[in-house]
Order: sequence, then C-alpha cells, then structure tokens
Amino acid sequence: AQKVTQAQTEISVVEKEDVTLDCVYETRDTTYYLFWYKQPPSGELVFLIRRNSFDEQNEISGRYSWNFQKSTSSFNFTITASQVVDSAVYFCALSEALGAGSYQLTFGKGTKLSVIP
Amino acid sequence: NAGVTQTPKFQVLKTGQSMTLQCAQDMNHNSMYWYRQDPGMGLRLIYYSASEGTTDKGEVPNGYNVSRLNKREFSLRLESAAPSQTSVYFCASNPRRSGTEAFFGQGTRLTVV
Repeated sequence: AQKVTQAQTEISVVEKEDVTLDCVYETRDTTYYLFWYKQPPSGELVFLIRRNSFDEQNEISGRYSWNFQKSTSSFNFTITASQVVDSAVYFCALSEALGAGSYQLTFGKGTKLSVIP
Repeated sequence: NAGVTQTPKFQVLKTGQSMTLQCAQDMNHNSMYWYRQDPGMGLRLIYYSASEGTTDKGEVPNGYNVSRLNKREFSLRLESAAPSQTSVYFCASNPRRSGTEAFFGQGTRLTVV
C-alpha cells in the first residue's frame, strides 16, 4: 500500500524566514504522481503543484520551490520569505491507481504552518 | 466557473438521524470521490465512482452509502449517523487520467451529537 509521511505536524516561523516542509512517500509503482495542496484557515483545498516520477527537475514558482528526489523518495516544499498569508495546512499527496481507470490521492497527515508577523 | 459544489456547508445531526450530502461538478469529469478529513489524519477516501453508474469502496466506507446519479452528481448518505462520523467531508472530481489533480469542493462540516 502506498504511504505518504509528513513528519512535521506543526511549524512556526517568523515572517520573512524561509521554511521547508518535508514529504516522504512509499510506492511500488514505477510511474506515479506527487502533489502538494494548501488548506488555508477558510478550509478549501487549493492545488499547488504536480510532479511525475520521471521528472526530477526542481521547480520554482515565485516564492515557492519544490525539491523532488527519487533516490530518497522525498518531495519537499520550500517557501522563501514567508508571509502571514502562507499560514495554512499543507498536504503532500501521492496518486494511486484504483480500478477502472480512477486515481485516488493518498494524503499525508498535513503540516500546519504558522507565520508570525 | 463553479467547479465542485457541495451542499450543505454545515450540518448538525442527532445520533441515529440520516442525511445525504450532495455534490455536483460542472467540469465533465468522469471520476468523483468522497473524502473525510479528521484532525491529524489527513484526508481518507470513503467511496469513489470511476464513471457514471459505478461506485467502489475506499479506505473507510463503513456507515456510508453513495449514489452516482449521473455524470455530474455524486451523493453520500449516512443512514444512521454516529458521533464517530463527525468530520469534514470533501467531494472531489478529476478527469480519470493518470496524473491529473483532483478538484475539491468547499467541504461540509458535519457534527453528530
């Protein structure tokens, strides 16, 4: 069975600090997809990024960057110069094939990030 | 540009009562899902529907039933609510292609007293 581990339950940083959220996954599939979602205090789930298992190129999008390392089964997420609006719960997820062509997301338990002004 | 719409947004039930959570998507997606979110547990899959007319159990199906009414709608029913079903419920959909992200509704906060 697939598994996603987010070892950090809660993190607090002071505004403008950089912060890295860790994600480690387990899968037997050779082709798979990893995701990060953000859940702000309002409760909705916001998709941030998708990465497939063949693409280990790191990605930067504004203040966000992602470091995918297949050798260590990790897909870490860094926020540079954090802002109060970054305060949220962040989920890492792994795509798992179900029957009949459906794919479910196996979620980690989430990391609650608090950015203190 | 509604995406995935869930109703109701909040609900309080007494133990033993029944209710149906509604979900509709307007993105022409084949697959739909129901998840529950509990503190410290992440999101866990209750049921999913790969396509219209099919439904299957996920990780935590006990105490729930689902109906895929048509391609747009996927409802979740609690026949006899229990306090252990107090949770936030999310409906999601995706186009049933590997690697596509799931689009989530706003969630339903359910309390069973």
